[in-house]
Amino acid sequence: GAGVSQSPSNKVTEKGKDVELRCDPISGHTALYWYRQSLGQGLEFLIYFQGNSAPDKSGLPSDRFSAERTGGSVSTLTIQRTQQEDSAVYLCASTKGAGKNSPLHFGNGTRLTVT
Amino acid sequence: GENVEQHPSTLSVQEGDSAVIKCTYSDSASNYFPWYKQELGKGPQLIIDIRSNVGEKKDQRIAVTLNKTAKHFSLHITETQPEDSAVYFCAAQGDTGRRALTFGSGTRLQVQP
Repeated sequence: GAGVSQSPSNKVTEKGKDVELRCDPISGHTALYWYRQSLGQGLEFLIYFQGNSAPDKSGLPSDRFSAERTGGSVSTLTIQRTQQEDSAVYLCASTKGAGKNSPLHFGNGTRLTVT
Repeated sequence: GENVEQHPSTLSVQEGDSAVIKCTYSDSASNYFPWYKQELGKGPQLIIDIRSNVGEKKDQRIAVTLNKTAKHFSLHITETQPEDSAVYFCAAQGDTGRRALTFGSGTRLQVQP
């Protein structure tokens, strides 16, 4: 079946502009995560959604970052007033269970470049 | 919170040799330890995982060992092949609190033909 789909695959934006990144999780997966991967670095947790529960936003680096998940499916990560340090690959993952000891299925990411 | 350290950051082996990647974690409550392989331009893919009630798990050429007392776990790849070349990440997850996995910083494995 279809995996996690992210769009766009690449995004170049000017410093100060807002960007929206989209994630379509695997159908039926109730948990959704956003991670950020800077060049040559590991994966940094940003935010976690599980069903109708309040999201875990503890990883968001600043109030310029926000995310929504509509109807328990598609998620959008928004970065306002982008800065050069926001340049990274943004990865979305979903999992069937509540995220507890469940394998994550990642999309191929959105490569964001802020010029 | 959880902190995961991973070593080495780069590893080069000859085809057919074994490769070992090691990780340590800080939260003694962590009980799930997956390993992911990331190829260029793609998202990480799960290759093997282990839970805290098991000391070792093997899947063909890949094995993972866990030492809960010492809080470290390792990935072992035997008979390496060029297609094993990728970046490997370890991760840890606890049973309570944050549900998200905490990842190590990654190991770039290069298998020389």
